[in-house]
Amino acid sequence: GIQVEQSPPDLILQEGANSTLRCNFSDSVNNLQWFHQNPWGQLINLFYIPSGTKQNGRLSATTVATERYSLLYISSSQTTDSGVYFCAVEVWGAQKLVFGQGTRLTINP
Amino acid sequence: EPEVTQTPSHQVTQMGQEVILRCVPISNHLYFYWYRQILGQKVEFLVSFYNNEISEKSEIFDDQFSVERPDGSNFTLKIRSTKLEDSAMYFCASSENRYEQYFGPGTRLTVT
Repeated sequence: GIQVEQSPPDLILQEGANSTLRCNFSDSVNNLQWFHQNPWGQLINLFYIPSGTKQNGRLSATTVATERYSLLYISSSQTTDSGVYFCAVEVWGAQKLVFGQGTRLTINP
Repeated sequence: EPEVTQTPSHQVTQMGQEVILRCVPISNHLYFYWYRQILGQKVEFLVSFYNNEISEKSEIFDDQFSVERPDGSNFTLKIRSTKLEDSAMYFCASSENRYEQYFGPGTRLTVT
């Protein structure tokens, strides 16, 4: 099956810093989503981005489908950005998301 | 904004018991999913459901799980004969168009 690798596994930053999270996948996909898992365990949709670039406030994402990777950018980090960020993909013909292992982001005040 | 809801938020059960987890998908969505996340691990797919049929299921699904859409709004996951290793967060998700999936807040299942 498809492999989804996220890097780095852990990231510790000071408030106000910028960060880039990466997601590599091993096969062509028709769906790619980024999620933020908050301290209560909820999975919050950030982006649906099988290709191209999107921005939402301080967050933006880019997926280069032909090169099989996606990037999530967080600018001017706040302590509330802390949590685990997951990338999840769906291959053509499947009806399931395959998640990466996540990047644990810690923003210190 | 419409959202997926799940009940209960936390369920404690004894090993060997059956549990039913409930979900109310977003009202105009047609595709439904269950995932689970064992503590500290990644989210793993269990089953997808469309038009009152299972579309895809994981290798472990048939061993212990079943799904139902008992009425026009609810979507349930039944876990038969629970084991300690079934302790996890169970997420329901729904999708309007089979692409972007929206997740519920999860049910934390603790098997003792």
